[in-house]
Amino acid sequence: ILNVEQSPQSLHVQEGDSTNFTCSFPSSNFYALHWYRWETAKSPEALFVMTLNGDEKKKGRISATLNTKEGYSYLYIKGSQPEDSATYLCALNSGGYQKVTFGTGTKLQVIP
Amino acid sequence: EPEVTQTPSHQVTQMGQEVILRCVPISNHLYFYWYRQILGQKVEFLVSFYNNEISEKSEIFDDQFSVERPDGSNFTLKIRSTKLEDSAMYFCASNLERGQQYGYTFGSGTRLTVV
Repeated sequence: ILNVEQSPQSLHVQEGDSTNFTCSFPSSNFYALHWYRWETAKSPEALFVMTLNGDEKKKGRISATLNTKEGYSYLYIKGSQPEDSATYLCALNSGGYQKVTFGTGTKLQVIP
Repeated sequence: EPEVTQTPSHQVTQMGQEVILRCVPISNHLYFYWYRQILGQKVEFLVSFYNNEISEKSEIFDDQFSVERPDGSNFTLKIRSTKLEDSAMYFCASNLERGQQYGYTFGSGTRLTVV
């Protein structure tokens, strides 16, 4: 069983603050790392899929980095807005099969 | 933007009854999945489906579960005899290619409550 962990479990930040959270995963048999944003009552939405060590991806104010050798990925949100409030999930694809193993999620609340 | 649709959004069923959860994936996608999240736990993989057959399944996906794509459009998950522990949010997802370049497109889920 793959152990994909995320920290912190939950986070409250003030509007305008920047924040980041971590996804840790076993570095053996790495194939890809996904990040999803999941707003309440909606479906999880894909943010990034990262495959190469040292990858950095950016989408607006959100960016992510990947270190496959040490088994972690960071997600950064610059200048948080209330609409960023959501649960952020990472998911590991190992071995090239289609399924992914999800982390526990980080629940972010941005306070206006 | 194309989306994955799931019906019903909420289903309540008696223990021992059969349920069918329905999904319409994005039309040009090739890979289809069911995941579920029991309240307070991680999202967990159930099954993947490609080329009209199961390509991978988890240990959760036992003989009580089955999937079908009967008409090239709908993708269904059937639970033959529901148990209390099957209560969860069930998500359907699809993607275009095996290479994981784009991530999954998820539906908004069916909340199954077994009483």
